[in-house]
Amino acid sequence: EPEVTQTPSHQVTQMGQEVILRCVPISNHLYFYWYRQILGQKVEFLVSFYNNEISEKSEIFDDQFSVERPDGSNFTLKIRSTKLEDSAMYFCASSEGAGMTQYFGPGTRLLVL
Amino acid sequence: QKEVEQNSGPLSVPEGAIASLNCTYSDRVSQSFFWYRQYSGKSPELIMSIYSNGDKEDGRFTAQLNKASQYVSLLIRDSQPSDSATYLCAGGLGRGGATNKLIFGTGTLLAVQP
Repeated sequence: EPEVTQTPSHQVTQMGQEVILRCVPISNHLYFYWYRQILGQKVEFLVSFYNNEISEKSEIFDDQFSVERPDGSNFTLKIRSTKLEDSAMYFCASSEGAGMTQYFGPGTRLLVL
Repeated sequence: QKEVEQNSGPLSVPEGAIASLNCTYSDRVSQSFFWYRQYSGKSPELIMSIYSNGDKEDGRFTAQLNKASQYVSLLIRDSQPSDSATYLCAGGLGRGGATNKLIFGTGTLLAVQP
């Protein structure tokens, strides 16, 4: 069964460093998303991406964040200058269409020291 | 009112019983709803989606949507210890009728006692 994959599974970085989280969405899906979950809190929407552009972003997704689909399979989230409060689990998700079921990847656990 | 609200639990049920999980939502949330299961340290895993008023059954799971009351529920029949997890209710929210994002509740922790 097709699934969303994410790398790395864990990332430890120093405050102020740049990180890139990678995702491979399900191959026939057209909509891609990033969510995050701070430990003990709820899953929060960051950004949605369709047709090579951001379709919506949350207040969390400030200028330090960017997304890119560099080729036909990868979808990346970059955090330019990490802060302590960026420590969280980051989930990538994809769906066939708008309003359709979103399937989540296994997540990347980011720890900023 | 929060956009999607759930009782955080824990909800404890004996093995073999019916577990009933509930969720309410605000006017801002669109009419698509999803139940995900999340084991500790893992990602959300889809259990059910529901778009129309009424019941939708899939194996031991039944989702119920009541748009008039802005209420969605998940029933788990014949609960098993392996069902012990956090159950996340999510509603779709987007512009122009298209769901661009999911709004999650805080999740209900279910504990099935052997």
